[in-house]
Amino acid sequence: GAGVSQSPSNKVTEKGKDVELRCDPISGHTALYWYRQRLGQGLEFLIYFQGNSAPDKSGLPSDRFSAERTGESVSTLTIQRTQQEDSAVYLCASSLGGREYGYTFGSGTRLTVV
Amino acid sequence: AQSVTQPDIHITVSEGASLELRCNYSYGATPYLFWYVQSPGQGLQLLLKYFSGDTLVQGIKGFEAEFKRSQSSFNLRKPSVHWSDAAEYFCAVSNFGNEKLTFGTGTRLTIIP
Repeated sequence: GAGVSQSPSNKVTEKGKDVELRCDPISGHTALYWYRQRLGQGLEFLIYFQGNSAPDKSGLPSDRFSAERTGESVSTLTIQRTQQEDSAVYLCASSLGGREYGYTFGSGTRLTVV
Repeated sequence: AQSVTQPDIHITVSEGASLELRCNYSYGATPYLFWYVQSPGQGLQLLLKYFSGDTLVQGIKGFEAEFKRSQSSFNLRKPSVHWSDAAEYFCAVSNFGNEKLTFGTGTRLTIIP
């Protein structure tokens, strides 16, 4: 597609439930990133995929968070046993080859844990 | 660890006035520096970036930024703002060889007539 697509755009879930967020990167973009943006704060790095290399998971805040990407296609971010502090906008970005090429961000998924 | 400080949480300027948004970073070697803009309900858009070379970089929408190593700063400027520039602006830094961007907390820009 023309841009990075994220779904759902909004998600309300009950505390303790699992959620799955989806990101469709721009076709041909080898790099894919997940960031979290809490209200009034900057973006926090979560995870980075580059082609078939092992992902950089250093930003994942706990073992309740995981992400997958098959090849250079769709990525899913899964949050298990959601907590209220997980409420945030989750942003996905893709890049042709890395930060030098600039990121293209999706519009994000707003997650609210009640 | 690298960090980015945007000391101004909120700035209000008159349409047509000049603008400078401040950004300071903490990192030992030459950083990769970025400015992004986030308009309400939209994703972040890259305004400009600096990796090396000329320390004054030009970006989209009439923005420019200057890298000053001695001050560890990468301030964003625009000579004359337009109402459409109202948005949230984020400065970001990355180490050489590290794909992870560290973002500042953002500066919200309000434009008044």
